[in-house]
Amino acid sequence: DTGVSQDPRHKITKRGQNVTFRCDPISEHNRLYWYRQTLGQGPEFLTYFQNEAQLEKSRLLSDRFSAERPKGSFSTLEIQRTEQGDSAMYLCASSPRPGTGTWDYGYTFGSGTRLTVV
Amino acid sequence: GQQVMQIPQYQHVQEGEDFTTYCNSSTTLSNIQWYKQRPGGHPVFLIQLVKSGEVKKQKRLTFQFGEAKKNSSLHITATQTTDVGTYFCAGRLGGGNKLTFGTGTQLKVEL
Repeated sequence: DTGVSQDPRHKITKRGQNVTFRCDPISEHNRLYWYRQTLGQGPEFLTYFQNEAQLEKSRLLSDRFSAERPKGSFSTLEIQRTEQGDSAMYLCASSPRPGTGTWDYGYTFGSGTRLTVV
Repeated sequence: GQQVMQIPQYQHVQEGEDFTTYCNSSTTLSNIQWYKQRPGGHPVFLIQLVKSGEVKKQKRLTFQFGEAKKNSSLHITATQTTDVGTYFCAGRLGGGNKLTFGTGTQLKVEL
């Protein structure tokens, strides 16, 4: 297993078009996260899955965004009717399920999909 | 907006100088993690702290978690050009189940 894979690496789309990104996590990891990062900012949480269940979705996420993780393996993030403000790096990360109490495992991030909406 | 702030936003140092970045949360953190992102790269996990007042070291890097679990710091001794990148703290806010990332500190090291 070579880590978290994301496809495509780059996507340029016209405003109003739909786009879909794919993430393949580390196979032993049952948690999968989507983050968005713009230039000069930290990654911003979008949503996460434990196995196939989507457990949390950011309130900042409009209804144009949807994510799936069928069968608890790879995940897709779709953005409908893209807007210029959607231009960003979309990062996927995975981790094992956190332990009890306050400790987590570190996230392993993919290289991201850079979306440019023109 | 992001609830975890880091200062400074940017830091230029000469190689061999020390560097410190500070992470502050508006609410108590269950834990704190630190990540490094090289220019053009993705965040890479460095370490996790969970206990109040905890201090951990990794070679030239020293990480601290505040007593109140609302702040943390990363100190690099004798910086090298390989330390260049943006350093992010990230933590679980209260009873949340995902990491909230800080605003990051970009470090540049000059020879």
